[in-house]
Amino acid sequence: AQKVTQAQTEISVVEKEDVTLDCVYETRDTTYYLFWYKQPPSGELVFLIRRNSFDEQNEISGRYSWNFQKSTSSFNFTITASQVVDSAVYFCALREIGTASKLTFGTGTRLQVTL
Amino acid sequence: NAGVTQTPKFQVLKTGQSMTLQCAQDMNHEYMSWYRQDPGMGLRLIHYSVGAGITDQGEVPNGYNVSRSTTEDFPLRLLSAAPSQTSVYFCASSYGTSGMNEQFFGPGTRLTVL
Repeated sequence: AQKVTQAQTEISVVEKEDVTLDCVYETRDTTYYLFWYKQPPSGELVFLIRRNSFDEQNEISGRYSWNFQKSTSSFNFTITASQVVDSAVYFCALREIGTASKLTFGTGTRLQVTL
Repeated sequence: NAGVTQTPKFQVLKTGQSMTLQCAQDMNHEYMSWYRQDPGMGLRLIHYSVGAGITDQGEVPNGYNVSRSTTEDFPLRLLSAAPSQTSVYFCASSYGTSGMNEQFFGPGTRLTVL
């Protein structure tokens, strides 16, 4: 069965600090997809990134970067120079190929960025 | 495009009452699903559909029914509401059924069962 673990329940940082959100996953499939979503205080879920299991290339998008390592089954998310607007709950999720369905979420990490 | 829409945004029920949470998408997505979000538990899949007329159970289906008569609509029915069903409910849709595409989420329905 697939599983996603976000061990960090809550993280507090001061603005401009860098912060890394950890995500560890379990799956028996060789083909799968990993996702990160952001849930700001307003409550909606915002898609951030998708990565497939054959693409271990790290990605940078502005202040956001993602580090995917199959060897450790991890897909970590780093925010550089955090801002107050980054305050949200961040979810990591896993979807196996062909399931067409079961997006398994981690329990989320609440990030609080203060001035 | 409106994306994924959900109604109502808020609902209070008494134990034993039934109701339907509405979900619609205008992106012609094949795949649709319902999740519930509870504190400390992330989102858990209730039911999903890979196309009109096809539905299946997710991780926590008990107490809920779904149907999919059209591509656009995927209502979630609570048969006899219980306090344990107090939660925030999200509907989502995605293009294709292979699992590779991101899901688009509706704004959520906050349900309280007294």
